Amino acid sequence: DAGVTQSPTHLIKTRGQQVTLRCSPKSGHDTVSWYQQALGQGPQFIFQYYEEEERQRGNFPDRFSGHQFPNYSSELNVNALLLGDSALYLCASSVGTSGGTQYFGPGTRLLVL
Amino acid sequence: GQQVMQIPQYQHVQEGEDFTTYCNSSTTLSNIQWYKQRPGGHPVFLIQLVKSGEVKKQKRLTFQFGEAKKNSSLHITATQTTDVGTYFCAVKRGYQKVTFGTGTKLQVIP
Repeated sequence: DAGVTQSPTHLIKTRGQQVTLRCSPKSGHDTVSWYQQALGQGPQFIFQYYEEEERQRGNFPDRFSGHQFPNYSSELNVNALLLGDSALYLCASSVGTSGGTQYFGPGTRLLVL
Repeated sequence: GQQVMQIPQYQHVQEGEDFTTYCNSSTTLSNIQWYKQRPGGHPVFLIQLVKSGEVKKQKRLTFQFGEAKKNSSLHITATQTTDVGTYFCAVKRGYQKVTFGTGTKLQVIP
């Protein structure tokens, strides 16, 4: 039973570029949440997808967008990258939207130069 | 937005010593979760507390939720090198939006 998987593991981009990160949830999970974790800080909630719709959003600009596919996998897109977008991007999956444990993936480490 | 503060920010202990991290909020919390993140790793869910005064144990780890539901603690008895990492408290709001605390980084000296 595979856990949460994310790709790529590492990524280097330059300012102004766009990036797409991918997440496959744990088997049986239908909800995906995305978090940004800057170095030395706790994860910050970006948004959550359930039934292919964005259900909740944190305090992130519209440059951050996402998508969920019928197979429950998800993508996080970031446009017009800034240096401050350099962080570990974590995906977490769970069952439904009202409870249950979130399982985090290994993350994608993004460096913006 | 509602924030949860953790103290201490860093803690170095000798292997075998006890360790405690505290999580504090200025407002009443509906729940508190605890996560562990190993160096270079991702957060791993440890436990969730929802009841006032609740105490739960997992082997050498003891989790407590304050009577007023404004604070929580994680106590590790007789630390081991495998306990190294950052411990986060977190609050689940709404669906699955989890707001993480500032974290306590634990270093265990062999």
